[in-house]
Order: sequence, then C-alpha cells, then structure tokens
Amino acid sequence: TQLLEQSPQFLSIQEGENLTVYCNSSSVFSSLQWYRQEPGEGPVLLVTVVTGGEVKKLKRLTFQFGDARKDSSLHITAAQPGDTGLYLCAGARGSNYQLIWGAGTKLIIKP
Amino acid sequence: DTGVSQDPRHKITKRGQNVTFRCDPISEHNRLYWYRQTLGQGPEFLTYFQNEAQLEKSRLLSDRFSAERPKGSFSTLEIQRTEQGDSAMYLCASSRTGGRNTEAFFGQGTRLTVV
Repeated sequence: TQLLEQSPQFLSIQEGENLTVYCNSSSVFSSLQWYRQEPGEGPVLLVTVVTGGEVKKLKRLTFQFGDARKDSSLHITAAQPGDTGLYLCAGARGSNYQLIWGAGTKLIIKP
Repeated sequence: DTGVSQDPRHKITKRGQNVTFRCDPISEHNRLYWYRQTLGQGPEFLTYFQNEAQLEKSRLLSDRFSAERPKGSFSTLEIQRTEQGDSAMYLCASSRTGGRNTEAFFGQGTRLTVV
C-alpha cells in the first residue's frame, strides 16, 4: 500500500492545456517535495513545500501544500512538450525526515 | 561542484555474479541515500548514511545487499549473487543533515540488468 497516492498515474494532453496532479496521504508530513524525472535519469528536485497552505510558483508550475500537510497538488498552466516526464512527490516524515515516495504521474504533452 | 555522480551508468551481469556500484555525493552533503526504482514506480528506500554511519536499512533489503561509506564521502552498494529480480535502476542521493525542508539531490542512477 502506497503511503502517498499520486493521481492520475498517466496523463496525455495537448500542448497548451492545463493540468493538475495530486499527491494524497492520510499521514502528516513535515515537508513535501516534487521531482521531475526523465527516462534513464535520476529525479530532479522542483520544489519543497513546508508550511500548511503554502503555495509556490515556478514559471508555469504552481505547487500547493494542503492546510493539514497531508496532500499536495501540482498545477501546470499552458503545458508544453518540454514538460513531459515522470512527476514524483515525496513527503518527509519521522524524526529523521525520511522521504516517502509516491509512484509518480507519467505526463506526456503532445505538440 | 558537479552534483551527485554514480558509476557505472549501466551494468549487465549474469545471474549469480556480484556487482558493486559507486556514488560520489555533493561534497558538503553529509547524508547519502540509496534507492531502487523499477519501471513505473517511485524510488524505494534501501539505506542511508550520515557521514560514515549507516543509520537505517530497509527491512525489505536482503542480506545479499550491503552498503558502505568508509570515510563519509563516497559510498558503494554491493549486491552479491545477483538475481533477475534485482534488475532495476539504483539511485543515489545526498543532502545536508536532515531537517524538515532538507532537499535531496539525485545522481543519474545505475541501471542494472541481470540476465
């Protein structure tokens, strides 16, 4: 059983459309990180959210941490083919802030 | 600094052979993590070090797996008597000492194929 559920698992949309990816849990996390991973490469950190309700923007990407620090969302505006990749969320918990990972959302943006 | 470096990038081995992977973390990072990732899944935690001390090891990790970080810098992950189920991407990450907003930075991974 995944402690962090990501949805959808797969999304294929046209360039220019908007999309939202969700990361949900019944557990509270100290912080939550979003990564993007391309085939054959390691995950690359996009953002860390720490405070409940926090919103961070990275160009066309908007990240939000839920008020209760149990969930997060990633919204992409006007998606571009360069946004294609596997998006992973990871929550930090415990005294050693161990990262718990979601299974990822595979995103394909068609030109 | 060139980030986290892993070697080799790819390894093909026959079942039953031993393999060893190396990870060089970002120089000022004292935490080092090993993960395994299979297709369509997020990274699965294997073990982590703070400096040279191995502080946690996944209960899912069999005795065939061992990791070292002898001088608190680079780390090695050895798999003995490899099995086909060991085929995966092995990822290394490093971070500064853990805190609620500690960020982990990953290497490019070592892709292991056991035939």
